[in-house]
Amino acid sequence: GAGVSQSPSNKVTEKGKDVELRCDPISGHTALYWYRQSLGQGLEFLIYFQGNSAPDKSGLPSDRFSAERTGGSVSTLTIQRTQQEDSAVYLCASSLSHYGYTFGSGTRLTVV
Amino acid sequence: QKEVEQNSGPLSVPEGAIASLNCTYSDRVSQSFFWYRQYSGKSPELIMSIYSNGDKEDGRFTAQLNKASQYVSLLIRDSQPSDSATYLCAVNTGTASKLTFGTGTRLQVTL
Repeated sequence: GAGVSQSPSNKVTEKGKDVELRCDPISGHTALYWYRQSLGQGLEFLIYFQGNSAPDKSGLPSDRFSAERTGGSVSTLTIQRTQQEDSAVYLCASSLSHYGYTFGSGTRLTVV
Repeated sequence: QKEVEQNSGPLSVPEGAIASLNCTYSDRVSQSFFWYRQYSGKSPELIMSIYSNGDKEDGRFTAQLNKASQYVSLLIRDSQPSDSATYLCAVNTGTASKLTFGTGTRLQVTL
């Protein structure tokens, strides 16, 4: 597509529930990244995909977080047993080589 | 020490003035440097990239890089109220093309 697409744009979930966030990168972009941004905070790296493999998942905060990417395209970030501290905007970005990222519009996750 | 440091601001400049935003980084092997603009409630938007020492100009924006001093800056000439946003500095710190971001500088352009 023309840009990076993320869904849903907003998600409110109850504490303890699982959530899935989806990212559809720009067509042809081999690299895909997940970041999160808490209110008034900087961008926190979560995971990086090159194709379908994840050479760097060092930013995943706990084993409740997992991500996959299929067909070198769509990626899903799953958070199990959500906690209130998981509330943030989850941003997906894609890139071609070293030319900087293009971000999606993000998913605002609120855990109540 | 943070990997990428920026003054959080706010930096307030009058309309028409030059805004100067600064960023320092800790990893000497960093090769690629980027400036993103983020409006409140929106996602970051890439506005400048710079890869070699010196200046790079694009319209009203100039990025400056000094690898010896581990310093990168963004100048915005003829600042406009629409430039009011948070500006994020990002550095490629070596793991493929993974970027590390600073916490951003909030710029306010006043009438």
